[in-house]
Amino acid sequence: GAVVSQHPSRVICKSGTSVKIECRSLDFQATTMFWYRQFPKQSLMLMATSNEGSKATYEQGVEKDKFLINHASLTLSTLTVTSAHPEDSSFYICSARGQGRAQYFGPGTRLTVL
Amino acid sequence: KQEVTQIPAALSVPEGENLVLNCSFTDSAIYNLQWFRQDPGKGLTSLLLIQSSQREQTSGRLNASLDKSSGRSTLYIAASQPGDSATYLCAVPLKETSGSRLTFGEGTQLTVNP
Repeated sequence: GAVVSQHPSRVICKSGTSVKIECRSLDFQATTMFWYRQFPKQSLMLMATSNEGSKATYEQGVEKDKFLINHASLTLSTLTVTSAHPEDSSFYICSARGQGRAQYFGPGTRLTVL
Repeated sequence: KQEVTQIPAALSVPEGENLVLNCSFTDSAIYNLQWFRQDPGKGLTSLLLIQSSQREQTSGRLNASLDKSSGRSTLYIAASQPGDSATYLCAVPLKETSGSRLTFGEGTQLTVNP
């Protein structure tokens, strides 16, 4: 099946710093990538949708200047959490969709902001 | 607005039992429905995807059914094993898209006891 990777798997940073998370589709071209956020014991919440070569579409309530998304190629999307604060600590998961309808999910990135 | 509900929130069964997980959605005009598995602290693994024109899908010991008119889907797990312990999530795409942005249920946390 299709494989999606995320890097890093875990990151701890100080408050005020920026963190970049990469999402890669390893064996298919992802025309659309999605970024989700998951708080403990809660389900996934979609943050934004990105199509290769165009600006990301953010869900209501998600600050686009805080969560910068770049989808520069058909196999790579990045999420940068700028000026991170403890409340940004969460589990971030990306997914990728190719020509078919199914989404394939990355393993997630655990962000802890001290 | 589409809302997805999963019942029960948690389920604990002895090994070998057959079990059913339930998913309901408020807007029956869905394009498809997808079941995922999430292990603690990990990303999602897609289990089954049912198109709106299908009634069920099977993969090994898993069988998912879909009744669009009543807004329900079930995931049937036969002969459960301790390795099946995980959180199971169902998700449907938003109506105006064809399989992209997903709305997730809260999940059912399954524990299979040896």
